[in-house]
Amino acid sequence: KAGVTQTPRYLIKTRGQQVTLSCSPISGHRSVSWYQQTPGQGLQFLFEYFSETQRNKGNFPGRFSGRQFSNSRSEMNVSTLELGDSALYLCASSLDRVGYTFGSGTRLTVV
Amino acid sequence: GENVEQHPSTLSVQEGDSAVIKCTYSDSASNYFPWYKQELGKGPQLIIDIRSNVGEKKDQRIAVTLNKTAKHFSLHITETQPEDSAVYFCAASSPFGTDKLIFGTGTRLQVFP
Repeated sequence: KAGVTQTPRYLIKTRGQQVTLSCSPISGHRSVSWYQQTPGQGLQFLFEYFSETQRNKGNFPGRFSGRQFSNSRSEMNVSTLELGDSALYLCASSLDRVGYTFGSGTRLTVV
Repeated sequence: GENVEQHPSTLSVQEGDSAVIKCTYSDSASNYFPWYKQELGKGPQLIIDIRSNVGEKKDQRIAVTLNKTAKHFSLHITETQPEDSAVYFCAASSPFGTDKLIFGTGTRLQVFP
């Protein structure tokens, strides 16, 4: 079966711009989580959606937001980009709150 | 707050040797402990997981052990192969049964032929 698909794979944005990343979970998975991965902070939880509702949120500023659609696809948005937002953004989907499968990520570079 | 410590940060072994990576979690309410392998340019791949009601789990050359009293869990890889070279992350589920995984800082494993 198809895995978790994240688009785009790479992005370069300028400070102050906004960006939207997309994630298509494994078919049948209704839980989608987002993580930020950086060399300095490692893997940090952003938020989690289940059936179009945000169930949990990490300690990130309000510039980071997300949503989930009725087909379980999810998007995350980062507004007013800062240099420190440069990271690999990973999406993971799950059927039953365990066994999360990650996508390959979107590499965001802010210049 | 919630924290997972992982050691060592780097580990080099000869092909065929065993490798052990150790993690400690801070909150005794954590109940799910997955291990992920991340290769260059890819997302983390789940390789094995264990729940708090089980002390040990094995899958071919990979095993995980859990000591709830000490709040330790470890990954054991036997008969290592060059393709085992990657960064390995441990994680613990957030307390209160949410879906948030708290990750360790990673171990870079190098297996030399």
